[in-house]
Amino acid sequence: GIQVEQSPPDLILQEGANSTLRCNFSDSVNNLQWFHQNPWGQLINLFYIPSGTKQNGRLSATTVATERYSLLYISSSQTTDSGVYFCAVRTGGSQGNLIFGKGTKLSVKP
Amino acid sequence: SAVISQKPSRDICQRGTSLTIQCQVDSQVTMMFWYRQQPGQSLTLIATANQGSEATYESGFVIDKFPISRPNLTFSTLTVSNMSPEDSSIYLCSVTGIRVDGEKLFFGSGTQLSVL
Repeated sequence: GIQVEQSPPDLILQEGANSTLRCNFSDSVNNLQWFHQNPWGQLINLFYIPSGTKQNGRLSATTVATERYSLLYISSSQTTDSGVYFCAVRTGGSQGNLIFGKGTKLSVKP
Repeated sequence: SAVISQKPSRDICQRGTSLTIQCQVDSQVTMMFWYRQQPGQSLTLIATANQGSEATYESGFVIDKFPISRPNLTFSTLTVSNMSPEDSSIYLCSVTGIRVDGEKLFFGSGTQLSVL
């Protein structure tokens, strides 16, 4: 099955810094989403982005489907950005479930 | 997005017992799923809850252990049967097919299960 690799596994930032999280996948995809799981466990959908670029406030995401990777940018990080960021994909031609990566744990220090 | 209510939010159960988790959505959705998140791990799909028919289980999960119901387009239950400490996890209800957000996956707040 498809492999989803996220990097880095852990990231510590000072408040105000910028960061880039990466998601590599081993096969073509027809669905890619980014999620944030806050320290209390709630999962929030950040982006549905199988290709192209989207922005939402301080967050933006870019997926280059032909090169099988996606990037999540966080600018001017805040302590509330702390938590785990997951990338999830669904392979092209399938109507099946999303496969989640192992996540990037982000800690933003005040 | 929709409001996805999941209950209980947490429970502590004895080995050998069963727990039923409920998921209620405030609007009709196309797909409902149940995920498991073991401590410190990523999310693994247990099954797709199909309205009016048997759920579709992923490899490693069976109906006898995780019976699922979905009587209508807004409600589903997951039962964790004959529990053991290895079942201690967060169980998450998720949905797609919400109005204009058709492909986006949304999650309930989860059920933290501890089995003693």
